[in-house]
Amino acid sequence: GQNIDQPTEMTATEGAIVQINCTYQTSGFNGLFWYQQHAGEAPTFLSYNVLDGLEEKGRFSSFLSRSKGYSYLLLKELQMKDSASYLCAVTDSNYQLIWGAGTKLIIKP
Amino acid sequence: ETGVTQTPRHLVMGMTNKKSLKCEQHLGHNAMYWYKQSAKKPLELMFVYNFKEQTENNSVPSRFSPECPNSSHLFLHLHTLQPEDSALYLCASSQDETGGYEQYFGPGTRLTVT
Repeated sequence: GQNIDQPTEMTATEGAIVQINCTYQTSGFNGLFWYQQHAGEAPTFLSYNVLDGLEEKGRFSSFLSRSKGYSYLLLKELQMKDSASYLCAVTDSNYQLIWGAGTKLIIKP
Repeated sequence: ETGVTQTPRHLVMGMTNKKSLKCEQHLGHNAMYWYKQSAKKPLELMFVYNFKEQTENNSVPSRFSPECPNSSHLFLHLHTLQPEDSALYLCASSQDETGGYEQYFGPGTRLTVT
């Protein structure tokens, strides 16, 4: 079967750095997405990786290793507004998006 | 504001009622999606439409019936639902169903079945 694993919940301190991991087992791979979802709101797009390596976008970076079936989202200089759920999703060989259950990130002052 | 709107935002219905959820996208996208989101579970893809044609139906019970009259509008018709159908129903759109196109989500409809 197809599976996406990510931690259920993480806690970090304002101003610090946090890394949210995602591992996947899917039938084929056509890209990996990270989305942010604040409580009671819709998911919003953060990043897309299709090749190995690091993609940096401001305070957020996303890394992909296709051989390891692994990605992480790195958040720097954490702010209280970064408290949200972070969803990892992989596009399989049929271009169907397989979603993880999300990681709830709690930021403490 | 993502360019995808959904109505109603909240809906309470009995198991014998019939209701419809509406989604509209103003982005010129060709693909539209219905998802179900339950607490602490992954997003569940229900239906996909690409250029108004249904391309995916992930074994969704027949009490959920989608309709896509054009590329900008998507409906989800509900009838004789069960309490376990209570969830957040999200609509999304993307440029196309294939390729690395991000999906834009609407705010969702919080459905409660009593």
